[in-house]
Formats: sequence, C-alpha cells, structure tokens
Amino acid sequence: EIVMTQSPATLSVSPGERATLSCRASQTIGSDLAWYQQKPGQAPRLLIHTTSTRATGIPARFSGSGSGTEFTLTISTLQSEDFAVYYCQQYNNWLTFGGGTKVEIK
Amino acid sequence: EVQLVESGGGLVQPGGSLRLSCAASGFTFSNYWMHWVRQAPGKGLVWVSRITNDGKTVFYADSVNGRFTISRDNAKNSLFLQMNRLRAEDTAVYYCARVGEGRAFDFWGQGTMVTVSS
Repeated sequence: EIVMTQSPATLSVSPGERATLSCRASQTIGSDLAWYQQKPGQAPRLLIHTTSTRATGIPARFSGSGSGTEFTLTISTLQSEDFAVYYCQQYNNWLTFGGGTKVEIK
Repeated sequence: EVQLVESGGGLVQPGGSLRLSCAASGFTFSNYWMHWVRQAPGKGLVWVSRITNDGKTVFYADSVNGRFTISRDNAKNSLFLQMNRLRAEDTAVYYCARVGEGRAFDFWGQGTMVTVSS
C-alpha cells in the first residue's frame, strides 16, 4: 500500500498570507494526485487533480505542483473561507489518502 | 445539478448488518465508477470500496473485504454498500463519491453516519 504523509499536521496562517501544504508518497505515483478541502460537518470538495489541474469552479489562488513522490498545495492569499482541513489522495496504485493538514487562523 | 444522497446509516450492534444506499441524480450514472469512503469521528478519510460503471468489477479495502459488498442498480441510479459482521471500528460517516475529473472524486454525497455499539 502506498502511504501518503502530509505535513504539517496543523498550519497557523493569518488571512491574506500564503499557505504551503506538503504531501509525500512512499513510492512514486507519477502525477496521480488530488487535493481535497473539508470543512466541519461537510463532505470533502475536490480542489486539484492530476497534481496541478484545478477542478471546475476552484479559484486561481489554489495551485498544485510536484511529481513522483513530493507534492505541494499552495493557497496564495488565504481567505476566511479557506480555513479547513486539506487531504491529498493518490490514485496511481489503488487509492490512499494522507492524514490531512488543518489550516487554522493565526 | 449533480447530487449524491446517502441513506441507511444508524446504530447497530456489533456483529449486525446495515445496507447503505446512495441515490444519484443530475448525471448519467451508468457512465461513472463509484466509490465508498469513510471517516471515523475526528479522523481522516479512508477508502472502502470501488465499483466500475457496469458493476462487473469491484474492489475492497483489506479491512472490509469479506464483510462488505458494493453493488449498483444503474436502472435506478443507485449505489449500495451491504455491511455485515459490523465491528466497533466500522463506526464512521460513510460517503459515496463519483470518479470524474482527472480520475479523482469530483462529487461526494453528504454522508451517512454508521455507529456500531452495544
């Protein structure tokens, strides 16, 4: 099983600042990586697929990068609605999620 | 508008059974692979099971293999998860999700809570 490790577990950021979230795969997954946002009491929402392609309706302040085993989600200018938990997911070999990064207000 | 609506969750004793349903609308259900994903209280997302669009191929996480059965009825735009021999560790919110954009999960239901407890 491919293990996905996200860091940090919690990221404290002020509104308007930049947030950088990391995701590492235990083996290479090519570009088969997605990012999801989840707010309390809600289902996850797809933000990014294929490492760097924004899903339909996702604002340009969300961007993804990386390849192989190292991936990054960047939120360029944090808005109040962006404080949430973010999960990465690989779908190259079966399917696994990372443990999540909580982005909280500093 | 794409909608996925789960139902069937509830409180069940260890060793018991439940059948979850996911009603799909707003898209051609028979064209899409579907998955179940669960989330224990306060924990992360865990993949449970997958079914191809024609229902002919299914896969399960090791933790549920042999106890859970995924199925679908394309004529009724519905996805199912039959859960048998339930354990306390199966307690979670269960989401159905559609495989769409870039082979990722582009739409999710709102989830249904399953609690396994005596």
